[in-house]
Amino acid sequence: EAGVAQSPRYKIIEKRQSVAFWCNPISGHATLYWYQQILGQGPKLLIQFQNNGVVDDSQLPKDRFSAERLKGVDSTLKIQPAKLEDSAVYLCASSLGGGLKYEQYFGPGTRLTVT
Amino acid sequence: GESVGLHLPTLSVQEGDNSIINCAYSNSASDYFIWYKQESGKGPQFIIDIRSNMDKRQGQRVTVLLNKTVKHLSLQIAATQPGDSAVYFCAESAEKLVFGKGTKLTVNP
Repeated sequence: EAGVAQSPRYKIIEKRQSVAFWCNPISGHATLYWYQQILGQGPKLLIQFQNNGVVDDSQLPKDRFSAERLKGVDSTLKIQPAKLEDSAVYLCASSLGGGLKYEQYFGPGTRLTVT
Repeated sequence: GESVGLHLPTLSVQEGDNSIINCAYSNSASDYFIWYKQESGKGPQFIIDIRSNMDKRQGQRVTVLLNKTVKHLSLQIAATQPGDSAVYFCAESAEKLVFGKGTKLTVNP
């Protein structure tokens, strides 16, 4: 079974530029999550999708971050404009369902460096 | 607010020894806890979970202990191997997962 795919794996941009990350979840997984992991910390949930609808985006900085999952499969996370403090690994995870009884499977992440 | 923390940022053990990684959580409403292992350049990987109606759960070479009285969680790894070297996170949940900061485990051959 193929895992969660993410691209790019690494990205370096200057502050105030924009950037987009892509995630392809495990086939058949209805729930998709985006997490931000700052160096030395645990992942922090940014947004949760159930199919193509947003379940929780309470911790997403909506003035600069946006995410979509238009067809309920792939998802993109965008940052515009980027700030230095956005430097982090952005992890995508997917699960069969939205309840916590469903294990979340994480992708390898995209490491973003903002200079 | 919700938070999960760890007692030690790093832990170094000899191959074959048992490892114990500790975690303190603050949200008394949390009813589900998970331990994750994260290797360099990879996403977190599920190790074992426990619900608040249990105080102990065992897996293959791993045991999780939950003490709700003092809001403490621990992960025990038996006969630690070099492949166990990674950062370990505990995560708690009342409604969504909240991760702690992680403990880096180094296994010396």
